[in-house]
Formats: sequence, C-alpha cells, structure tokens
Amino acid sequence: EADIYQTPRYLVIGTGKKITLECSQTMGHDKMYWYQQDPGMELHLIHYSYGVNSTEKGDLSSESTVSRIRTEHFPLTLESARPSHTSQYLCATRRGETQYFGPGTRLLVL
Amino acid sequence: DQQVKQNSPSLSVQEGRISILNCDYTNSMFDYFLWYKKYPAEGPTFLISISSIKDKNEDGRFTVFLNKSAKHLSLHIVPSQPGDSAVYFCAASAGYDKIIFGKGTRLHILP
Repeated sequence: EADIYQTPRYLVIGTGKKITLECSQTMGHDKMYWYQQDPGMELHLIHYSYGVNSTEKGDLSSESTVSRIRTEHFPLTLESARPSHTSQYLCATRRGETQYFGPGTRLLVL
Repeated sequence: DQQVKQNSPSLSVQEGRISILNCDYTNSMFDYFLWYKKYPAEGPTFLISISSIKDKNEDGRFTVFLNKSAKHLSLHIVPSQPGDSAVYFCAASAGYDKIIFGKGTRLHILP
C-alpha cells in the first residue's frame, strides 16, 4: 500500500541538540513538502522539493535544512534545536493538484 | 495577508444535522480548492476538492460548493456523525503552484 511515513512521531529533546526528522514515501511522487503547524494556526510551508537534488525554502523562514538524494526520502534537520522549534512538522507529497500528508512529528524542545 | 480565510475558529453541530464550514479567498487566480480533515497529533487527510470550472462536487456525505463571484466556498457534511469531530482546513492553489491553507475550523459534533 502506497503511503507516507514520518519518524519519530513524538520527540522530546533538549536545547542545542541536533535532530533529523525522517519522511519517506512509497507513492513515487516527485514533489515533496515540509510544513510546520501550531494549534489553531494555518500550515506554514518551510521547505519543498520538486525531485531528486531539488530543494527550495518555503514561505516561512526556518532554521532547518532538507535534502533530497532519493525520490522516496526527504529528511529535515535542525542543527541546534531551540524551544521556539517546538511544533508539529508535517511531511507531504503531491500528485496533480492534491497533497497527501504523513502522520506528522510532534516536537518538543525543552 | 491571508489569502485563504476560515473566519470561524470553531463550530458545534448536533449529531445527525448538517455541518456547514465556510471559507473565503482573496486570490482570483486560485483555480483548485481542497478540504482536509485533521485529528489531533495526526496529519491532515484529504477529503474532497473542486475545480474552478465547477460549482459543486459531491462525495458521499460531503459536498463542496464554490461561488467564484463571491470568492467563497463551503463544505457541507450531512448527516453529521461523531467521527466528524476534527479540524477542517480549506486550501487553494493556482495551477500547480503552492497550496495555501487556511487556519482551520474545529468542528464539534454534539451527541
């Protein structure tokens, strides 16, 4: 079954730590996205990719970085986590005009 | 400036009745509109969409209406069920450009 996977689902980490949020998909879609979402707020696009070796920054400035070495894999890295990075991070793919989301990673930085 | 607006942060509806969620947009270039449903600690799930060449699209209990002249769309859920309690996001795009999301409306289905 084609799907989008995100790990970890929940992460509690101390300030200053380096973290990588994993996103992988079996749908074969070229376009992939990372969103950040806080309760009661809209989804903010922080990174996107149109294919292998393509990465772009989104509308919301983010201290995170991404890479796209393989079609199915789009990890997001924070070099030094801060409390302001506490949020839910959602990975998505796109086929045609519809986006499909993974289950999300809820990050808490202490 | 928000291009996609959901002005009602929350809505409560009796089980079995109709739920109507509203969405307004400002960008006249938007030509495709989507609704997503989100449970806490999960990713949004695609519900239904509509192209700007249509004014109505129906899928089971869900119907989306589009009023281009008013730049307004709505999602109707009938009959409302307890499992419909969630946050609903309206979204829009222009061609294959980025999809823009609203802030969401939290729907409570009352027993």
